[in-house]
This record gives sequence, C-alpha cells and structure tokens, in this order.
Amino acid sequence: NAGVTQTPKFQVLKTGQSMTLQCAQDMNHNSMYWYRQDPGMGLRLIYYSASEGTTDKGEVPNGYNVSRLNKREFSLRLESAAPSQTSVYFCASSWPQVGAVGSFYTFGSGTRLTVV
Amino acid sequence: TQLLEQSPQFLSIQEGENLTVYCNSSSVFSSLQWYRQEPGEGPVLLVTVVTGGEVKKLKRLTFQFGDARKDSSLHITAAQPGDTGLYLCAGGSSGSARQLTFGSGTQLTVLP
Repeated sequence: NAGVTQTPKFQVLKTGQSMTLQCAQDMNHNSMYWYRQDPGMGLRLIYYSASEGTTDKGEVPNGYNVSRLNKREFSLRLESAAPSQTSVYFCASSWPQVGAVGSFYTFGSGTRLTVV
Repeated sequence: TQLLEQSPQFLSIQEGENLTVYCNSSSVFSSLQWYRQEPGEGPVLLVTVVTGGEVKKLKRLTFQFGDARKDSSLHITAAQPGDTGLYLCAGGSSGSARQLTFGSGTQLTVLP
C-alpha cells in the first residue's frame, strides 16, 4: 500500500546508545518531517526537509540529527539517547511544497522508543 | 510561538449523543486541519479549512473555521463507537517553513 513506512516499530535503548529511525515514502512527495508525540503535548516538529538535499530544525531539534538520503527516504538519528527522548516518533510527508496552504500530510504508523 | 488549545482534553459519551470539540488560538492561521488518530497508528487527515467562516461536512462530522481564522470546531452528530480516537487540530501558516502547529488533542471515547 502507498504511504509512509517507518522502521522499527518498537525499540528499547539504554542511555547513551545510538540508533537511527528509518522513514520512506512512495508518494513522490517533496517535503518530509519528523515529529515526536508525548502525552498531553500533541505533535512537536523535530526536523523537516522541504525538498531533497535540504534539512532544517523544527521546534525540538536538540539531541537529534537527520539525513535526507534521497527523495524517498528521511532518517532520524539519536547519537546518545537520553530518557527524555522516550516518546513516539512519527515521520510524515506532504504535498504540495512546504508552506503551501492546506498541504496534505500523510503520517507513518510511528516508532515507540523507550530509553532506560 | 503559535499555540493551539483543544478542549475538552477527554470526552466520554454514549453512542447516539452529539458532541463538539474546540480548537482555539490567539494567532491567525492560513489553514486549519483536523486529524483523527487511533491507537498504534499515525494521525489521518480528515479535513482542511482555509477560509474564515468556512464549514465543511464529512458524513456526521461538521467542521467550522472561525471568521477570524483563530479557532475551529468539530461537531459530531449521533456518535458511534467507530468515532473513538484522538482528534487533533493543526494550524498552518502560509509560507512558514516550520509548517503545522498541533494542538494537544481531544481523546474521544464513544461507549456502545
């Protein structure tokens, strides 16, 4: 099925470990995003990529890095995981371009990350 | 910083009842979107409204964008258990590279 695919679905890390969350979309969307969702706080933007080759910080970028590998793939890396990064992470893609009124967003099913 | 406040935070009702959830801000948005999220899944877009005063209907769901484009409401008629989920509003600012601002959500439970 067309859409946004995230891997892994679940992950437990020890404090200080690193990992990369993978995201791929097959809708030919230019813009991709990483959000985190915490109870009572909605979705907060970590990083986004308006188009292939560009990335920018969102609301909560500290402790994360991203790579827009190609038009389809956008990965999120935690270099040294901390318990505060325990959250559910969502990747999304959108059409048309970032900033366009009424952009249509498609979200992946999320990665549930626990840092102990 | 643009903020969106949703109310109520939690809502539990019986099947067949009507309900309204609200999304309010002190900021003006160029568009307002509503999403529904089910457990273990990502949010799914329900509707986008872009014009002040705009009303859109999706079966038993009615969405309204405030005249000043600072608030929105979602009204569900004759709620069904299948309507259960987390409802999120998200405001967009035209030309803003930071994209959508999400509210914290309304968790709706419809009991059979």
